[in-house]
Amino acid sequence: KNQVEQSPQSLIILEGKNCTLQCNYTVSPFSNLRWYKQDTGRGPVSLTIMTFSENTKSNGRYTATLDADTKQSSLHITASQLSDSASYICVVRGSTSGTYKYIFGTGTRLKVLA
Amino acid sequence: NAGVTQTPKFQVLKTGQSMTLQCAQDMNHNSMYWYRQDPGMGLRLIYYSASEGTTDKGEVPNGYNVSRLNKREFSLRLESAAPSQTSVYFCASKSEGSSGGNTGELFFGEGSRLTVL
Repeated sequence: KNQVEQSPQSLIILEGKNCTLQCNYTVSPFSNLRWYKQDTGRGPVSLTIMTFSENTKSNGRYTATLDADTKQSSLHITASQLSDSASYICVVRGSTSGTYKYIFGTGTRLKVLA
Repeated sequence: NAGVTQTPKFQVLKTGQSMTLQCAQDMNHNSMYWYRQDPGMGLRLIYYSASEGTTDKGEVPNGYNVSRLNKREFSLRLESAAPSQTSVYFCASKSEGSSGGNTGELFFGEGSRLTVL
């Protein structure tokens, strides 16, 4: 059972539009959650980290939110650019069977069209 | 600033052949990881090394071996490649973070694309 679920699986938007990606997790206990951006043919790169006490964090045009009560996070991209075309992966740091590990979502593939 | 370097970037093997994927990081990180990425699945941990001289199995270790040669280098070996091992392999190292290892950031290499025929 995948403990980190992302939606939608894929998304196509026009350049300049906003979009929001969702991440739901069931990992408990929870330490933190990161959003990674993975360009085609490249390795993932961290965009932001959310710890238990944080609700919102911005990194340029990227804004992440976290609701630890409902175990949901979102990544909002403002005024999208062609370079935002990538997969966005939600990664939760949590404990399973007493050992902390990274649990990866399957990602949302975003395509920004001119 | 190279970060995490993986070689080779592409490789085609025949079933039963062996090969080693090399990984080196220049960020002085203690922890290093090998993941595989397959379509429709999240990255899955093959092996990790919390520090020089230690290695531990991840969730999909069968068919693989690793060596933590020194603090910089962590290699992944396929002793007898199988078509099921066709995948993209990522090496990563982890920074310590502000509150111990749990907030550390994973830094990934560019990936090694392996095809087993």
